Amino acid sequence: DTEVTQTPKHLVMGMTNKKSLKCEQHMGHRAMYWYKQKAKKPPELMFVYSYEKLSINESVPSRFSPECPNSSLLNLHLHALQPEDSALYLCASSQVQIEGASNEKLFFGSGTQLSVL
Amino acid sequence: AQSVAQPEDQVNVAEGNPLTVKCTYSVSGNPYLFWYVQYPNRGLQFLLKYITGDNLVKGSYGFEAEFNKSQTSFHLKKPSALVSDSALYFCAVRDDSWGKLQFGAGTQVVVTP
Repeated sequence: DTEVTQTPKHLVMGMTNKKSLKCEQHMGHRAMYWYKQKAKKPPELMFVYSYEKLSINESVPSRFSPECPNSSLLNLHLHALQPEDSALYLCASSQVQIEGASNEKLFFGSGTQLSVL
Repeated sequence: AQSVAQPEDQVNVAEGNPLTVKCTYSVSGNPYLFWYVQYPNRGLQFLLKYITGDNLVKGSYGFEAEFNKSQTSFHLKKPSALVSDSALYFCAVRDDSWGKLQFGAGTQVVVTP
C-alpha cells in the first residue's frame, strides 16, 4: 500500500463551524506533513510531525490545530476559519523527516478542497 | 538561503515532440533536487530526484532530468510528450544541511494532440 488517504475530498464550512480533516497512511512512514495549496501555486508547509511529535509549526494561526494520534493517522482540526483559508489541504508522508539531512521523497494524498463561506 | 526558479508559467508542446521544463536553483551547500507532478484535483506525485552521482537522472513515466552544476539548473525532459503529460510540474530543492524543502512556482504543461 503506497497511498496516503485523505478525507473528506471536499468540505464546505461556515466561519463558525468546527471540522476536521483526516489523513491516513500504512507505509510505516514516521514523518507526516500538512500543506496548504492555493490554485496553481506551490504547496506551503504548515506542520510536520516526526515520530508522532510536532516538530515544525510554520507560524500557522491557532484556528488550525494538528493532531497525530498514532503513526498512521494525522488530523487537522479547523475552527473559526476565514474565507482566505479556502484552499486545497494536502497531507504527505515520508520515511523520515525531510527537514533535515535527508533525501527522502514525499508521498502526497489527493487533498481536501476546503471552501470557507 | 535556498531558492528555486521555474521561469516559465506555461509550456505548450505538441504530442510526440520533446518536452522540457526548466528549473534553476540556489543553495549554500550541496543541492538535493526533486521534480513533482500534479494532475488536476490530485496531490503531488514524485517523479525523480538528484542527490549525487550521475548528472542524468531517470524517473517515472519516461521523464529524466539533467543536473548542471555550472548553470545551477535541473531541467526536466521527456523525449516524446503525451497528452496525458498535461499537468502542473514543480521543481523543489533543499541543501544538504538543515533546510526546508523549497518548491518552485510551478510550470503548467499543455500537450496538444
